[in-house]
Amino acid sequence: KNQVEQSPQSLIILEGKNCTLQCNYTVSPFSNLRWYKQDTGRGPVSLTIMTFSENTKSNGRYTATLDADTKQSSLHITASQLSDSASYICVVPKSGAGSYQLTFGKGTKLSVIP
Amino acid sequence: IAGITQAPTSQILAAGRRMTLRCTQDMRHNAMYWYRQDLGLGLRLIHYSNTAGTTGKGEVPDGYSVSRANTDDFPLTLASAVPSQTSVYFCASAKEGRVTSYNEQFFGPGTRLTVL
Repeated sequence: KNQVEQSPQSLIILEGKNCTLQCNYTVSPFSNLRWYKQDTGRGPVSLTIMTFSENTKSNGRYTATLDADTKQSSLHITASQLSDSASYICVVPKSGAGSYQLTFGKGTKLSVIP
Repeated sequence: IAGITQAPTSQILAAGRRMTLRCTQDMRHNAMYWYRQDLGLGLRLIHYSNTAGTTGKGEVPDGYSVSRANTDDFPLTLASAVPSQTSVYFCASAKEGRVTSYNEQFFGPGTRLTVL
């Protein structure tokens, strides 16, 4: 069964601190992995898309890493800001005949406090 | 401004009533999707359309129907709403249907639906 597991479920950090969010997936074969940011009351917005050949990809203060061998990805946020408070969702395409569809993780809810 | 719009923003509906959620995109994307998001669960696909004139069932299609008469619009209809359909509904679009590429999905702002 295609699954995407994220940890932690929620996280509270002080403004200016760094944090790392985790994603484990079981989809095989693997083609790409996406991280989305979802502000409260808004739709998800793409942060990055990584293919199986990419180990690291950055988007400003966001850096995603991927280990296709262990089927793990992480999203590192540097020098957090209050505006980083959101849910971060890990997404992987379903395998096989379901390659037109995505499997979404439940997300990690990040709260950045002053 | 290019993007996806959804209407209404929120709605409270009596059980048994018919409701259509509207979705329009102006990016000329071929593929469009409807998801629902419930507390504690990941986004789940209801229906999708890879191109105008075609539709397909997603993970949770029961109780919902869609149509794709043109490229821009993808309405979602609840024929007879039930309380379990209380959720936040997101429409999304992408250049093409296959997700095994750099094909990014863009999401609308969502519709919060409450069925009493």
